[in-house]
Amino acid sequence: SQQGEEDPQALSIQEGENATMNCSYKTSINNLQWYRQNSGRGLVHLILIRSNEREKHSGRLRVTLDTSKKSSSLLITASRAADTASYFCAPDGGSNYKLTFGKGTLLTVNP
Amino acid sequence: DAMVIQNPRYQVTQFGKPVTLSCSQTLNHNVMYWYQQKSSQAPKLLFHYYDKDFNNEADTPDNFQSRRPNTSFCFLDIRSPGLGDAAMYLCATSRAVSSSDEQFFGPGTRLTVL
Repeated sequence: SQQGEEDPQALSIQEGENATMNCSYKTSINNLQWYRQNSGRGLVHLILIRSNEREKHSGRLRVTLDTSKKSSSLLITASRAADTASYFCAPDGGSNYKLTFGKGTLLTVNP
Repeated sequence: DAMVIQNPRYQVTQFGKPVTLSCSQTLNHNVMYWYQQKSSQAPKLLFHYYDKDFNNEADTPDNFQSRRPNTSFCFLDIRSPGLGDAAMYLCATSRAVSSSDEQFFGPGTRLTVL
């Protein structure tokens, strides 16, 4: 079944730097969502991008989608220590409801 | 604030002793999901309810059951927990059964099996 695969598995940067995380998937999608998970907590929805969209912005977040390469990227600009978390992509694999999460990228932003 | 609440946050049980985890929501969403997340792993969907309609994932073990007595509450029952069932259990909700709908997650219940 469809599952997003995030890359890199871990990323460590300094506060103020930009962070880029990538997601690849295998089958065509209708939608792809990105979520954040702080340590030991539930997931929080960040952004949804539809298959007919190429780029979306939300505050310091920028998500791109390349359906020809079956990949998406999440860019966090001007990172803060509070951005330290795991980030998951969830492509739908064309199903009507199911989001299949990858293992995530663990982002550490050092003060 | 509208939210998804999970109780307890931490649960310790013994090998083979049944345990129930609870989830409640004030969002009035039609859909409730249960995910299992092991350390450094992806959240894995166990099942979901659309209203009272129960939908089990094909690879969810029979050891896991769920109940949804009303719109607000959903329970996860583990009939005979094994050591491999130690994990974080996440409850989530959404308005509709659609991959274009945002899912709202609770804080999770961390289950330890002794």
